[in-house]
Amino acid sequence: AQSVTQPDIHITVSEGASLELRCNYSYGATPYLFWYVQSPGQGLQLLLKYFSGDTLVQGIKGFEAEFKRSQSSFNLRKPSVHWSDAAEYFCAVGAPGGFKTIFGAGTRLFVKA
Amino acid sequence: EAQVTQNPRYLITVTGKKLTVTCSQNMNHEYMSWYRQDPGLGLRQIYYSMNVEVTDKGDVPEGYKVSRKEKRNFPLILESPSPNQTSLYFCASRTTGGNSYEQYFGPGTRLTVT
Repeated sequence: AQSVTQPDIHITVSEGASLELRCNYSYGATPYLFWYVQSPGQGLQLLLKYFSGDTLVQGIKGFEAEFKRSQSSFNLRKPSVHWSDAAEYFCAVGAPGGFKTIFGAGTRLFVKA
Repeated sequence: EAQVTQNPRYLITVTGKKLTVTCSQNMNHEYMSWYRQDPGLGLRQIYYSMNVEVTDKGDVPEGYKVSRKEKRNFPLILESPSPNQTSLYFCASRTTGGNSYEQYFGPGTRLTVT
């Protein structure tokens, strides 16, 4: 069955520290991969996406993610976290050319001063 | 401003009383979708529409109906709401042209069914 797993329900990091949010997926073929961010009381905003090619993709707000086919992972990273990054982060997969999207359960990021 | 709007933003209702949550987008997107968000479960897709008059079930369609009579609107209908439909609902849209696949989300509708 197709699924997305985000192992960490919540993570706390200090402002200025590096961040890595984990995402593993189960899919029949290489899917399209996405990371979305949801700020409190807001809808979701796309941070970055991977379709093919270079396995390290850059997104908005200084985020990047690396696709590792052998590990079925698409982890999100940021070298230096800002207090405004506190939000919930969702990893998602979709079939190339398809219309369904499967989201992970989300990881809530807390940033401490 | 390009946006997806949902109404109402908050709704409290009673079991069995039919309700409709509206969704409208001004980006001329062909694709629209409804999700529900529940703690620990993330977003789950309810229904989606590839274009006018073309809809299909997502992963959790039971208890919901949709229609797509106009390109810009995609209402979600709960004919007989039950407490297990208490949730946060999001509408999203995207173009089906090009290679974007980026979905634009509305602000959400928080529904409570008592």
